Amino acid sequence: GAVVSQHPSWVICKSGTSVKIECRSLDFQATTMFWYRQFPKQSLMLMATSNEGSKATYEQGVEKDKFLINHASLTLSTLTVTSAHPEDSSFYICSVLPGGNKRGGFFGPGTRLTVT
Amino acid sequence: GESVGLHLPTLSVQEGDNSIINCAYSNSASDYFIWYKQESGKGPQFIIDIRSNMDKRQGQRVTVLLNKTVKHLSLQIAATQPGDSAVYFCAENGSNTGKLIFGQGTTLQVKP
Repeated sequence: GAVVSQHPSWVICKSGTSVKIECRSLDFQATTMFWYRQFPKQSLMLMATSNEGSKATYEQGVEKDKFLINHASLTLSTLTVTSAHPEDSSFYICSVLPGGNKRGGFFGPGTRLTVT
Repeated sequence: GESVGLHLPTLSVQEGDNSIINCAYSNSASDYFIWYKQESGKGPQFIIDIRSNMDKRQGQRVTVLLNKTVKHLSLQIAATQPGDSAVYFCAENGSNTGKLIFGQGTTLQVKP
């Protein structure tokens, strides 16, 4: 399978600040990446699809101005949580989709965000 | 709307026994399913997948069964080991886009 990294693995920030999370595809070029959010003891919920060189597409109910996604290269997508609030505290996980593979993805290790 | 659900939130088994984790899906158009294992604090790890043109697929110690008639998916783990303890999710991809819809998850506890 593919190797996907995320940075940081965990972060604590204060309410009102912004936090950037990176997702890197280490061994192949990923034209598409996905961002998921997972609250404690719950399932993964898709937030948005990150497309290299174009705007991200967001799932219904996800605020695009709050969760900024940038997919500037074939190996890096970033998710910025702007003006974070305690309710944004969650586990954020990215997955990558190798070019030509439309059927599934490989997941990163996740980033634990805690907003105080 | 679309949903993928699980019948049992927690499954406790004895080491060495076989485990069966179930999943129901509602989108009859779904044609690809994946089982993931997620350990605490980590991202999901791919276990096995199956396409809708198959009823059964086997991997190493794992078997996935698909019953399209009743829209049911199951994961069987043979000779369950303590290292199998984790949360297991089924996921569905019916749109050929890579977007995955996850089920609720089942916690598997393996007793030594």
